[in-house]
Amino acid sequence: KQEVTQIPAALSVPEGENLVLNCSFTDSAIYNLQWFRQDPGKGLTSLLLIQSSQREQTSGRLNASLDKSSGRSTLYIAASQPGDSATYLCNTGGFKTIFGAGTRLFVKA
Amino acid sequence: DAGVTQSPTHLIKTRGQQVTLRCSPKSGHDTVSWYQQALGQGPQFIFQYYEEEERQRGNFPDRFSGHQFPNYSSELNVNALLLGDSALYLCASSDIGGFYGYTFGSGTRLTVV
Repeated sequence: KQEVTQIPAALSVPEGENLVLNCSFTDSAIYNLQWFRQDPGKGLTSLLLIQSSQREQTSGRLNASLDKSSGRSTLYIAASQPGDSATYLCNTGGFKTIFGAGTRLFVKA
Repeated sequence: DAGVTQSPTHLIKTRGQQVTLRCSPKSGHDTVSWYQQALGQGPQFIFQYYEEEERQRGNFPDRFSGHQFPNYSSELNVNALLLGDSALYLCASSDIGGFYGYTFGSGTRLTVV
């Protein structure tokens, strides 16, 4: 049974810092891994999708890496901004998606 | 290109009542998945529909049921509502295996009183 864990559960940083969010999973037989952003009370916005054959994906200030053998993915946010404040969720894709509980990020101006 | 559309956005129901939530998938997607998200938690997988059949199911009681129509839209039905059913219900669409990722709607906030 797949289990997904996200560390840290919450993070508060000053504006401009680079930061790393972690996602670990127990079953390495995944099709892909997807990172989402969720604002309070809203739906999920897809940030990056990494296929199982890929090592990383980049979009603007965001970079996500995937290491299937160790069951880990990281989301790197460069030069954080107050607008980045949200909950970040990862999920292992395929037929039955499993989410972590998320990392709540607060970026202070 | 319309994304995933969910209706209604908010709903208040009384314990014991029944509720139906609706979802229209993103154009080009044929698979719809439903999730329940309690406050402060990650989304929990309820079930997935493809070709008008339930293909996968999470750990939810039979009070939770669904339907998919020929145009790929879907409904989530919850019977005999409990206070604990209060949550944000999210719908996501994808290709059958989710190989190209999932697209989520904005959700329906259900409050049971």
